[in-house]
Amino acid sequence: AQSVSQHNHHVILSEAASLELGCNYSYGGTVNLFWYVQYPGQHLQLLLKYFSGDPLVKGIKGFEAEFIKSKFSFNLRKPSVQWSDTAEYFCAVKAAGNKLTFGGGTRVLVKP
Amino acid sequence: NAGVTQTPKFRILKIGQSMTLQCAQDMNHNYMYWYRQDPGMGLKLIYYSVGAGITDKGEVPNGYNVSRSTTEDFPLRLELAAPSQTSVYFCASSDQTLGYTFGSGTRLTVV
Repeated sequence: AQSVSQHNHHVILSEAASLELGCNYSYGGTVNLFWYVQYPGQHLQLLLKYFSGDPLVKGIKGFEAEFIKSKFSFNLRKPSVQWSDTAEYFCAVKAAGNKLTFGGGTRVLVKP
Repeated sequence: NAGVTQTPKFRILKIGQSMTLQCAQDMNHNYMYWYRQDPGMGLKLIYYSVGAGITDKGEVPNGYNVSRSTTEDFPLRLELAAPSQTSVYFCASSDQTLGYTFGSGTRLTVV
């Protein structure tokens, strides 16, 4: 069965700092990759997705992610975070079928 | 455009009680899902459906049941509530080309 690992459970950083969240998955076939964000008290919202093509994917709110097939990774980045980026971030993989497998999430706290 | 609507938003149950979490979508999506979210564990798939009349188990189906009589609705049933079912429950829908659309969640406490 496929699995998704997010390396950092908690990240604390100051405004304007750069953010990178790691995501690795275990599945040898074709995958679709997603990053979702959950703001406090809200439901999950799609940040960006990778289906095929350019492995560098740009999403909403200045986020981007890079798919590195050889490393089974899909890391999320943002060059300069804002206080409003405080949220929990989930990496997810869709392999066979149409089911998403989620990582455990990374809680990001941005200090003003 | 309502998207995915879940009711109720909050519920407290006593051990052994039963309840149904409602989920409805208005996007004509074939696929629907129920996840539970526990701290540090991400989201775990409980049940899913690929179309009306078709349901299947996910990772953590024990203690739950679902039905899918229409494309729009996908209720989740808890028959004998247990404290281990205290969680936040999210319903989602999708077609095959886009990501999921999630509902706003139901926070359930079993005491």
